[in-house]
Amino acid sequence: QVTLTESGPALLKPRQTLTLTCNFSAFSLTTFGLSVNWVRQPPGKALEWLALIHWGGGEYYNTSLRTRLTISRDTSKNQVVLTMTDMDPVDTATYYCARMGGGIRLGGFFDYWGQGALVTVSS
Amino acid sequence: SYELTQPPSVSVSPGQTARITCSGEKLDKKLTAWYQQKPGQSPLLVIYQDTKRPSGIPERFSGSTSGNTATLTIAGTQALDEADYYCQTWDSDNVIFGGGTKLTVL
Repeated sequence: QVTLTESGPALLKPRQTLTLTCNFSAFSLTTFGLSVNWVRQPPGKALEWLALIHWGGGEYYNTSLRTRLTISRDTSKNQVVLTMTDMDPVDTATYYCARMGGGIRLGGFFDYWGQGALVTVSS
Repeated sequence: SYELTQPPSVSVSPGQTARITCSGEKLDKKLTAWYQQKPGQSPLLVIYQDTKRPSGIPERFSGSTSGNTATLTIAGTQALDEADYYCQTWDSDNVIFGGGTKLTVL
């Protein structure tokens, strides 16, 4: 079955760079219509989409966070990596890796989610 | 920037019908998905592309859209349906989530 697993540091200091890795299985990121996304959720708050990389290698970013984010993939390893620069305590959140089906733009939806990785930013 | 607005909370008695709304400009021209999230768990897709139900999701979950509002309807609500619910769509190459609705079954 499809699984996604996030890994990365649990604690960062302000102004450091976050690097998160998503390892997935049971699907290929070269399959038309599929993408792997990052979504975060601050404690007690709503979900916020960060970025995606799709089957063709194209990248989409949250407009308000675009300058701080980079997403990449290694299709041979079934791996997607997100970097987020200049971390701040307000970036403390659970970061989820999620597969999007249904294409991108109009009809895309998240059909599988990882268990999430809590990242705390504190000096 | 585009926004999706949900009521912060909805309460329903067991066995009754719960309706959770999600409002956004011209939402009927987009496609909406809904997610259920229980405490300490990852979100779970319950409705996609406005009205479609993934396999394994009970038939009591349904979705609809009219005008600027998408609605998640839970018929015969059960205690295990108590959770946070989020709507989601796309706008200008961004994925947008609503602020979430806490459904209380009491």
